[in-house]
Amino acid sequence: GQNIDQPTEMTATEGAIVQINCTYQTSGFNGLFWYQQHAGEAPTFLSYNVLDGLEEKGRFSSFLSRSKGYSYLLLKELQMKDSASYLCAVGPGADGLTFGKGTHLIIQP
Amino acid sequence: GAGVSQSPSNKVTEKGKDVELRCDPISGHTALYWYRQRLGQGLEFLIYFQGNSAPDKSGLPSDRFSAERTGESVSTLTIQRTQQEDSAVYLCASSSTGLAGPDHNEQFFGPGTRLTVL
Repeated sequence: GQNIDQPTEMTATEGAIVQINCTYQTSGFNGLFWYQQHAGEAPTFLSYNVLDGLEEKGRFSSFLSRSKGYSYLLLKELQMKDSASYLCAVGPGADGLTFGKGTHLIIQP
Repeated sequence: GAGVSQSPSNKVTEKGKDVELRCDPISGHTALYWYRQRLGQGLEFLIYFQGNSAPDKSGLPSDRFSAERTGESVSTLTIQRTQQEDSAVYLCASSSTGLAGPDHNEQFFGPGTRLTVL
């Protein structure tokens, strides 16, 4: 089966750092993705990890531990425009990407 | 270049009617996916096309749902005898290599079709 867990909602302050965690139990694994989705819009790709470790891309970094079934997305120097849902997804497997329910991130001034 | 496009952007229909949703993937992308996203929920996989292979229909919720794809281009998702529970945003995505490719298979999403069944 496929199960992906991430917090439903998080709140952070503009200019600060926030870490969004994701744990997964899946029957297959071929990489872990993070997507950003603003309200009413389609998801957009942020990062991809297939090997253990940290991938850094500007203000965003993503970490993976395959042995622990764990990933996190780290957002630095938060901006108001970072308010969005962040979707953790595993795959692609036999059934496309398996998505978590997403973490709604609220940025406060 | 052009991204994934979907039409219509919004569709309101009456319970029991059939609807057809269209997806135009990025040119050259061999893999195409359909997902459903209910309000406040995560994305739910529906169906996957890879090249000319038989589609993976494992995610279709009932036999009222079907999808077709013409070669490596346009796909249509058809929902027959719509029910109120079918109300959702239907998202299409495409990627360049699909499941068996060596790359990371980033999926590019279209803007979605918001379906409302009254």
